[in-house]
Amino acid sequence: AQSVTQLGSHVSVSEGALVLLRCNYSSSVPPYLFWYVQYPNQGLQLLLKYTSAATLVKGINGFEAEFKKSETSFHLTKPSAHMSDAAEYFCAVSGPGSTLGRLYFGRGTQLTVWP
Amino acid sequence: DVKVTQSSRYLVKRTGEKVFLECVQDMDHENMFWYRQDPGLGLRLIYFSYDVKMKEKGDIPEGYSVSREKKERFSLILESASTNQTSMYLCASSLRTGGISPLHFGNGTRLTVT
Repeated sequence: AQSVTQLGSHVSVSEGALVLLRCNYSSSVPPYLFWYVQYPNQGLQLLLKYTSAATLVKGINGFEAEFKKSETSFHLTKPSAHMSDAAEYFCAVSGPGSTLGRLYFGRGTQLTVWP
Repeated sequence: DVKVTQSSRYLVKRTGEKVFLECVQDMDHENMFWYRQDPGLGLRLIYFSYDVKMKEKGDIPEGYSVSREKKERFSLILESASTNQTSMYLCASSLRTGGISPLHFGNGTRLTVT
C-alpha cells in the first residue's frame, strides 16, 4: 500500500525566507514521488518528480526536493520565497507497476508568503 | 504541451438532477482520472480508466459513474446529485507507464448542488 503524509496544513514565511514543506511517504515498493502546486481556481501543475535517478531533484520556479530513503521523506524546499509562491502544494506517490498509474496524494499544504 | 480541458468551470445544479462533467485530453494518453477536492481532505480518487470502455473504482465511487467511449474523453456522471457532492472536480490524464508518468490536470469544475 502507498500513502503520503504532509506535515503542516498551513505554512507561513516572509518573502525572502526559506520555504520547507514536509512530505513523508509509505510504500512497499521503491517509490516514484511528485510535488504539485495549485494556484487559486486552477488545476494542479507538476513542480518536480523523483523516479529513482538523482536523489536531489530540481523543479520549476526554483524549487527542489531531496529523496531520503532512510527517512522515507521527500521534502520540498526553496531558498528564498517569493510572493508568487503563495499556493497549495501537494505531495504524491506511486511506484513501479502502480495500479494503472494512479497517484496517492497528501492532504496538501497551503503556503502563505508575507511581504 | 498536454492540454486537459474540462467543459465547465462552474456548475450549479439542483438536488436530484443528473449531472454530466466532461473532460477531454489531446495527448493520446491511455489513463484518465476523476478526483474530487475538498478543503482539508486533499484529492480523493473517484474513478479512473486505463483504456476505452474500461473503468476502475477509486476510493469514493458511491453516487458516481463514468463513461469512456473514446480515448480522449472521460465523463463523470452524478446519477442523482446531492448536496454532499458539492465540490471541486478535477480531471487528469497520463501515459500508461506503470506509475512513472505524472498526471496532467485540467483546471477543474466547481460544482454546487442546491
